[in-house]
Amino acid sequence: DSGVTQTPKHLITATGQRVTLRCSPRSGDLSVYWYQQSLDQGLQFLIQYYNGEERAKGNILERFSAQQFPDLHSELNLSSLELGDSALYFCASSVAGWGNEQYFGPGTRLTVT
Amino acid sequence: DQQVKQNSPSLSVQEGRISILNCDYTNSMFDYFLWYKKYPAEGPTFLISISSIKDKNEDGRFTVFLNKSAKHLSLHIVPSQPGDSAVYFCAASAFQGAQKLVFGQGTRLTINP
Repeated sequence: DSGVTQTPKHLITATGQRVTLRCSPRSGDLSVYWYQQSLDQGLQFLIQYYNGEERAKGNILERFSAQQFPDLHSELNLSSLELGDSALYFCASSVAGWGNEQYFGPGTRLTVT
Repeated sequence: DQQVKQNSPSLSVQEGRISILNCDYTNSMFDYFLWYKKYPAEGPTFLISISSIKDKNEDGRFTVFLNKSAKHLSLHIVPSQPGDSAVYFCAASAFQGAQKLVFGQGTRLTINP
């Protein structure tokens, strides 16, 4: 158990809909990272927050947004969903504003039908 | 543009023998490399890392080798155990402490009893 929690575990929704994925980092970790893993692909970095502020951005679509709240939990919002957005979405956390040793949650499996 | 490549999607090894997982990268700015291990229905877990100032790092049964001139790293597991069966991801960052990790596609390792 990494100490990072993600909800929900599974999500099935239709194209065009909007969903919110939630992540709680390990106790004491200030940084949260979001990754997307599509079928047979590696993990693609989406975005990082550190202590409530956006710190780094990766290949995140404009339809996607994220935020980190004062209690340090984070939410990833995915809107106007397309079939290609079906993937595993992982959240990771690290102690500081950098984090090579990131601790990953179990992931949320999103299926868009 | 796949900056980190794991060209073998799968590898099968006999229990007790050596497992060698390979990873190539193209970005010469990468100077910190990590291996993550992932079991089904779980998030990746950090295994071992290496800085570019070293060419080898060992932790128990796991050793990572880095060949900077070839832009190649490998993970050796000796002896291989059934519990090592998992997907292994190689990851790299542009300088130690960078927020963004670039992951390879992963190699599924199966240890046969």
